[in-house]
Amino acid sequence: DAKTTQPNSMESNEEEPVHLPCNHSTISGTDYIHWYRQLPSQGPEYVIHGLTSNVNNRMASLAIAEDRKSSTLILHRATLRDAAVYYCILIGNQFYFGTGTSLTVIP
Amino acid sequence: DTGVSQNPRHKITKRGQNVTFRCDPISEHNRLYWYRQTLGQGPEFLTYFQNEAQLEKSRLLSDRFSAERPKGSFSTLEIQRTEQGDSAMYLCASSLADGPQPQHFGDGTRLSIL
Repeated sequence: DAKTTQPNSMESNEEEPVHLPCNHSTISGTDYIHWYRQLPSQGPEYVIHGLTSNVNNRMASLAIAEDRKSSTLILHRATLRDAAVYYCILIGNQFYFGTGTSLTVIP
Repeated sequence: DTGVSQNPRHKITKRGQNVTFRCDPISEHNRLYWYRQTLGQGPEFLTYFQNEAQLEKSRLLSDRFSAERPKGSFSTLEIQRTEQGDSAMYLCASSLADGPQPQHFGDGTRLSIL
């Protein structure tokens, strides 16, 4: 099964950009890259997804490497409400979440 | 906005008892997923339905677990003869079936086994 690898934790200062990396070296050609985030005591929340091209929405941007073996979620200006666990998952992979990256935002 | 609803939010039961959880998906969503999440871990996929058909089941779903979606709307997840290791958050999500659609999650049912 294709899996994803993310750092366990990251810190960012408030109002600065945050780049959250994800490695998925065994991604298949038809796998979409999805990002979710989860606050304590809540279910995961969809953030963004893409296949090959970079994607932007109101929450974040997704940068996908040309070989698709890695991707980066970009939060352009971190706020305290962005503190959460961020998961990178491959759809087509039995929805494997991994342990995610716990993002701490420092005021 | 009626999102995914899960009931109950918390369930405490004694080991060996049976428990049943309910999930009401977003009304136009024909895919429904069940996950289990333990402390410090990401959600683990259990099973999913497209309409009333159960299309995939994880090896995690032992014979004590059964899920149904009889009319293609709400779903139930039953655990028989609960064990200590079943203590977890059980999450439900729903999505449209076409393409790689985002999954919308409920806030889960937290199961505690005494």
